[in-house]
Amino acid sequence: GAGVSQSPSNKVTEKGKDVELRCDPISGHTALYWYRQSLGQGLEFLIYFQGNSAPDKSGLPSDRFSAERTGGSVSTLTIQRTQQEDSAVYLCASSLYETQYFGPGTRLLVL
Amino acid sequence: TQLLEQSPQFLSIQEGENLTVYCNSSSVFSSLQWYRQEPGEGPVLLVTVVTGGEVKKLKRLTFQFGDARKDSSLHITAAQPGDTGLYLCAGASANYGGSQGNLIFGKGTKLSVKP
Repeated sequence: GAGVSQSPSNKVTEKGKDVELRCDPISGHTALYWYRQSLGQGLEFLIYFQGNSAPDKSGLPSDRFSAERTGGSVSTLTIQRTQQEDSAVYLCASSLYETQYFGPGTRLLVL
Repeated sequence: TQLLEQSPQFLSIQEGENLTVYCNSSSVFSSLQWYRQEPGEGPVLLVTVVTGGEVKKLKRLTFQFGDARKDSSLHITAAQPGDTGLYLCAGASANYGGSQGNLIFGKGTKLSVKP
């Protein structure tokens, strides 16, 4: 199908290592969002890209987190020097209007 | 800061029972969405309500948007095991493009329906 895809689906890393998570949004969607979801919890907003505007980074929990969106399409979320508390599911969503379409998420485990 | 409070946080019921999940805020939203998330997957949109007082039905699910557009409820009739999941409400801010993009999510209600 032509939904939002994320890779990898699972990532296990050691504390202190850097990780990159990828999101491929639905073609034509101008907005892209990253969320973090701890086990069984709601969605914690991280960052929001809208077209060519400067991203809204107000949800990033620390300067170890960064994200970029190349060519208005694919986005990469980078976590540097990972910590155990970074373990969570990282969800990406894209939208054209108000409805957000989510990918399946990347499950990150930091040992 | 706009917040959406969902209640209850957890709900465990037997098949065939009815239930209601609430989503409340002190802020006005231009619209409100309900999502369901199953384990290992991303949230999937169930419905969007736009008009104050609006009621929408999706099979056994009934969604209502409060008259003042500050709250919403989800009622499930004769729940089935397939209804099990995390139900999330999300409000579209009147200030489009403000913080958190254009949706503010509640923390969710985790529903378990036992056969």
